[in-house]
Amino acid sequence: QLQLQESGSGLVKPSQTLSLTCAVSGGSISSGGYSWSWIRQPPGKGLEWIGYIYHSGSTYYNPSLKSRVTISVDRSKNQFSLKLSSVTAADTAVYYCARWFGELGYFDYWGQGTLVTVSS
Amino acid sequence: QSALTQPASVSGSPGQSITISCTGTSSDVGSYNLVSWYQQHPGKAPKLMIYEGSKRPSGVSNRFSGSKSGNTASLTISGLQAEDEADYYCCSYAGSSTFDWVFGGGTKLTVL
Repeated sequence: QLQLQESGSGLVKPSQTLSLTCAVSGGSISSGGYSWSWIRQPPGKGLEWIGYIYHSGSTYYNPSLKSRVTISVDRSKNQFSLKLSSVTAADTAVYYCARWFGELGYFDYWGQGTLVTVSS
Repeated sequence: QSALTQPASVSGSPGQSITISCTGTSSDVGSYNLVSWYQQHPGKAPKLMIYEGSKRPSGVSNRFSGSKSGNTASLTISGLQAEDEADYYCCSYAGSSTFDWVFGGGTKLTVL
């Protein structure tokens, strides 16, 4: 059974960079046909897709966040990462990592989520 | 692209059936059969309930079904149970770009 687990700093100061990692177990991150995604959910609000990285390494980002987002993959550790720069209080959210099957358009495995608070 | 439109809340009594709508446009829901639905309990990660508009992943109860009419996709839950109380989100393909996927704003289902 595939499992995803987010980790990283739960508190980030304004203007700094948010960094999270998603460790994948029970399967290879290099499996063809899948992408690895980050989604966030501000407190009490809906889901917002941040971006994803294909098994090939190609990345796609939400246009509204594109200038601040970097998603990368470390195949040796079977994990992928998110960096979001110049954060503000509006970036406070629960951040989820998930596997995305782009051909048919669905997230089939999710991490449990991690709350990141932006505050001084 | 704009978010898909869902009702903020729906409710039903145990045993009843309810339907949650997800309204888009002819550029997204109306043009593609690539709508997925997610269930999210408080403090938990979303769970895939329906994909490709009407297909259920293994392990999802057959009380959950998906359909589409025109620019509106729907999630129907029959034989409502207390554990179905949760937030539900739809997601659809919206165009020819690889990032053209949009979420709905979410619907809170209350089981009375």
